[in-house]
Amino acid sequence: GAVVSQHPSWVICKSGTSVKIECRSLDFQATTMFWYRQFPKQSLMLMATSNEGSKATYEQGVEKDKFLINHASLTLSTLTVTSAHPEDSSFYICSARDRTGNQPQHFGDGTRLSIL
Amino acid sequence: QQQVKQSPQSLIVQKGGISIINCAYENTAFDYFPWYQQFPGKGPALLIAIRPDVSEKKEGRFTISFNKSAKQFSLHIMDSQPGDSATYFCAASRIGGAQKLVFGQGTRLTINP
Repeated sequence: GAVVSQHPSWVICKSGTSVKIECRSLDFQATTMFWYRQFPKQSLMLMATSNEGSKATYEQGVEKDKFLINHASLTLSTLTVTSAHPEDSSFYICSARDRTGNQPQHFGDGTRLSIL
Repeated sequence: QQQVKQSPQSLIVQKGGISIINCAYENTAFDYFPWYQQFPGKGPALLIAIRPDVSEKKEGRFTISFNKSAKQFSLHIMDSQPGDSATYFCAASRIGGAQKLVFGQGTRLTINP
């Protein structure tokens, strides 16, 4: 079945540093990838929609300069949390949709980000 | 209009029992309704999904019931097992366009042995 790989699975870093999270579709081409944020015991909140070769579309209230998204190829999207602070600590999850649009979204296993 | 409301927030069921989780949506443009299962520290995994042209879909022990007029859909887990203990999310989206999923609030299901 379709597999979406996310890396790293867990990262701890100091406040003020930037962190990059990768999302790869391993066996299909993803024209669209989605980035979600999930706080403990809460639902997934969509942050942005990433389209290959174009600028990402951010949801209302999400700072695009804070959360940089790059979707340079049909199998890779990256989320960079710039100048991270403790309030950015969360579980970040990506999902990908194949280029036909006929298949459901497949989710990665998430990245646990802890900012000290 | 974009909300999907899910209940209950938590549910405890005895092994072998039936687990029922309900969702309601507002946007009549939604035409794809998936259910996801999430274990701690993992991403959501698609369990089963339905489109509004059918009222029920069954896959193994999992069944979705869909009521288009009431704008409600539910997940039934038959013969619930301890391994089913997880958080379940309903979602809704439109098939065309960006296919952005709108998630319900989630239900923490515990199956007691």
